[in-house]
Amino acid sequence: AQSVSQHNHHVILSEAASLELGCNYSYGGTVNLFWYVQYPGQHLQLLLKYFSGDPLVKGIKGFEAEFIKSKFSFNLRKPSVQWSDTAEYFCAVKRDSGGYQKVTFGTGTKLQVIP
Amino acid sequence: EPEVTQTPSHQVTQMGQEVILRCVPISNHLYFYWYRQILGQKVEFLVSFYNNEISEKSEIFDDQFSVERPDGSNFTLKIRSTKLEDSAMYFCASSETGGKSSYEQYFGPGTRLTVT
Repeated sequence: AQSVSQHNHHVILSEAASLELGCNYSYGGTVNLFWYVQYPGQHLQLLLKYFSGDPLVKGIKGFEAEFIKSKFSFNLRKPSVQWSDTAEYFCAVKRDSGGYQKVTFGTGTKLQVIP
Repeated sequence: EPEVTQTPSHQVTQMGQEVILRCVPISNHLYFYWYRQILGQKVEFLVSFYNNEISEKSEIFDDQFSVERPDGSNFTLKIRSTKLEDSAMYFCASSETGGKSSYEQYFGPGTRLTVT
């Protein structure tokens, strides 16, 4: 079964600081990878996803993530955070094989951006 | 922009009672899902549903749970006899496809279930 680890539970940054949130997954086969964001009081929204091709994926709001297969990692980055990025971020993985739709989430990282 | 909706936003029930959580997925989507998030814990997959049958379920989804698509628009999760540990936020999601590169699960706002 697949699993996801997010190492940072709570991150506090000042505006304009750079962000990197770690995500590692465990599954030996081919995977699809996702980052979701949940702003306060709102529902989960997809930030970006990786299915195949270029391992550097760009998403909405200036976020990007890099899939490093050898490290089983899919870290999320943003060069300069804003106060509006304050939210909880979830890394997720899905087996890339027919019949599997189950998305497994990490425990989430709460990001607090201080103005 | 189309969105997944869920009702009610908050449900309080007594232990042992049956509850039905309702979801309206995005209209052209074919796959439907339920997840739950116990307070302070991660979002956990419960079940996926396609073509009027369960396509995948987790070990959490035991006999007290059932899902149904009673008509062309609603997708429901029934918990037959609620327990205190069923208290959680329940998220419905839907996707147009099951796994192609356009795959994306769209989540609803959730129903907070409190079992007393």
